[in-house]
Amino acid sequence: DTAVSQTPKYLVTQMGNDKSIKCEQNLGHDTMYWYKQDSKKFLKIMFSYNNKELIINETVPNRFSPKSPDKAHLNLHINSLELGDSAVYFCASSQDPGGAFFGQGTRLTVV
Amino acid sequence: GQQLNQSPQSMFIQEGEDVSMNCTSSSIFNTWLWYKQDPGEGPVLLIALYKAGELTSNGRLTAQFGITRKDSFLNISASIPSDVGIYFCAGQPYNNNDMRFGAGTRLTVKP
Repeated sequence: DTAVSQTPKYLVTQMGNDKSIKCEQNLGHDTMYWYKQDSKKFLKIMFSYNNKELIINETVPNRFSPKSPDKAHLNLHINSLELGDSAVYFCASSQDPGGAFFGQGTRLTVV
Repeated sequence: GQQLNQSPQSMFIQEGEDVSMNCTSSSIFNTWLWYKQDPGEGPVLLIALYKAGELTSNGRLTAQFGITRKDSFLNISASIPSDVGIYFCAGQPYNNNDMRFGAGTRLTVKP
């Protein structure tokens, strides 16, 4: 059983389109995150949620809208995709205290 | 947000050698974490540190939480080819709702 699963693994889309990435964790954790990893492998936090409540929104363009229907899910919807949105997006979850478990990533390519 | 400075950026070592990498911050962290990322995968937690001065081992890996709470190091002893990958430090400033990453140390091990 995968602890943190995100879909799809690969996403190729045209500029201007709207797309969603789904994330689910079966660990019973209270906190979930979205990170963006750029081509230089830098991991930047985008959002964190605790028990469905938004805690961190790290100056992410409002084209990115996270949604947490319950504490096991944190989905990421992106409107009007731009070339600069191309990256690997990671979902993760954790329980305080403790480090996070990451999903396998979604490689988004905007053409 | 908090800035984590991780060094070195990359290391090229011979199999069997020991490796050391570290992370420093201008602000205090309550938790220090070390992750490893293999190509095409999400980061995997190696060691979590919760108290200033704490020294923790995981097999050939040893990590310490600095006394000032502004730094941490990771040592790998007797490196093997499968140690190749990118190692990230991460810090949680208050609780697990926020987790910031260093830029990573890319490790290459020559057989």
